[in-house]
Amino acid sequence: DTGVSQNPRHKITKRGQNVTFRCDPISEHNRLYWYRQTLGQGPEFLTYFQNEAQLEKSRLLSDRFSAERPKGSFSTLEIQRTEQGDSAMYLCASSFRQTSTDTQYFGPGTRLTVL
Amino acid sequence: GENVEQHPSTLSVQEGDSAVIKCTYSDSASNYFPWYKQELGKRPQLIIDIRSNVGEKKDQRIAVTLNKTAKHFSLHITETQPEDSAVYFCAASPSGNTGKLIFGQGTTLQVKP
Repeated sequence: DTGVSQNPRHKITKRGQNVTFRCDPISEHNRLYWYRQTLGQGPEFLTYFQNEAQLEKSRLLSDRFSAERPKGSFSTLEIQRTEQGDSAMYLCASSFRQTSTDTQYFGPGTRLTVL
Repeated sequence: GENVEQHPSTLSVQEGDSAVIKCTYSDSASNYFPWYKQELGKRPQLIIDIRSNVGEKKDQRIAVTLNKTAKHFSLHITETQPEDSAVYFCAASPSGNTGKLIFGQGTTLQVKP
């Protein structure tokens, strides 16, 4: 499968625990995005990378959230001290930047449930 | 701030009828408008997109129109089929060079056989 992949697909954790998700973009895609989607809503932008540089973070993203993309390949999203409000689907997307209107391809998502 | 409004939230049509979903955006410098289809439990899939230098684009039964003056764009699906049933999201890429997408709230389309 040459599409965007995400692991794990599901994560159940207790409030206060830390969790980490991984995204593997389509190879040669230099842009990578993280979005969060809650039930009945559209995806909400969290952050994005161009190669290994994190170039924008949403103002909605608390300091409990951190993302990395070492070497410009896969990316990880970590949530520290999880809260019940963090329960959502975390989607990753990648694109190959040719213009500012590059097509984003989404992964299957990681569904987080915080008990 | 950046915002995309989408209507209706639910839409039910008979098989063979047309369906229209409408979106408005707030950032007049937005330059890219994709539409995604998301089936239950699946990832969003791009079905069509339009860039700000084009007023209309068509791909078989699907078409998108853009009115930059009104900051409004629409998805048109003709000859609907039961497999068109899904949630549809519009999105806009606001000014700047990030390529990030601001999504609408989604429209649940039900096509009755």
